[in-house]
Amino acid sequence: DQQVKQNSPSLSVQEGRISILNCDYTNSMFDYFLWYKKYPAEGPTFLISISSIKDKNEDGRFTVFLNKSAKHLSLHIVPSQPGDSAVYFCAASRSGTYKYIFGTGTRLKVLA
Amino acid sequence: EPEVTQTPSHQVTQMGQEVILRCVPISNHLYFYWYRQILGQKVEFLVSFYNNEISEKSEIFDDQFSVERPDGSNFTLKIRSTKLEDSAMYFCASAGTGGHQPQHFGDGTRLSIL
Repeated sequence: DQQVKQNSPSLSVQEGRISILNCDYTNSMFDYFLWYKKYPAEGPTFLISISSIKDKNEDGRFTVFLNKSAKHLSLHIVPSQPGDSAVYFCAASRSGTYKYIFGTGTRLKVLA
Repeated sequence: EPEVTQTPSHQVTQMGQEVILRCVPISNHLYFYWYRQILGQKVEFLVSFYNNEISEKSEIFDDQFSVERPDGSNFTLKIRSTKLEDSAMYFCASAGTGGHQPQHFGDGTRLSIL
């Protein structure tokens, strides 16, 4: 069941540069999308979300973009910091059900 | 900042034994969830719980699993007769209200079945 896919298992970025993490989904019924960050031995930490009525949501250094026609969302982190090094998961859900479908994660490494 | 807490952090159990994983959700939250992550795999939904009953469950959540909110603060996941394939990280999550609200996760319980 690959409804949510993160095709890049890892990404390395220089400190201060932009990190772009990508996520694709197949279920057109999804109407709410989230990004979580996960450090080893900790649970997923909520970062930012977006409803399908929007195409962009911004919170400080984090911006999520949603392209519904392409069924694609991305997370931009600007500027990237070493503390951003973690595994990032995208997740999706649809109205009427509140379970999240998670992607497989992308490990981000920000190099000092 | 309020957080979801889970105990124990690591549970080792013999196959066939019962295990109870415990969670204290954020205090004013109304929706509760269990997810699991088998090593190297995705985080998978198990069950959601609202108003003292299961609102949704996945095909993973078979008769060996049950959830309970025994008092006003705890939320538990019980596995009646554990199998080797139940070895995973189990995450509890809670959300404040209905509609699209982010779920907040605990740090998980690592369950190892021997």
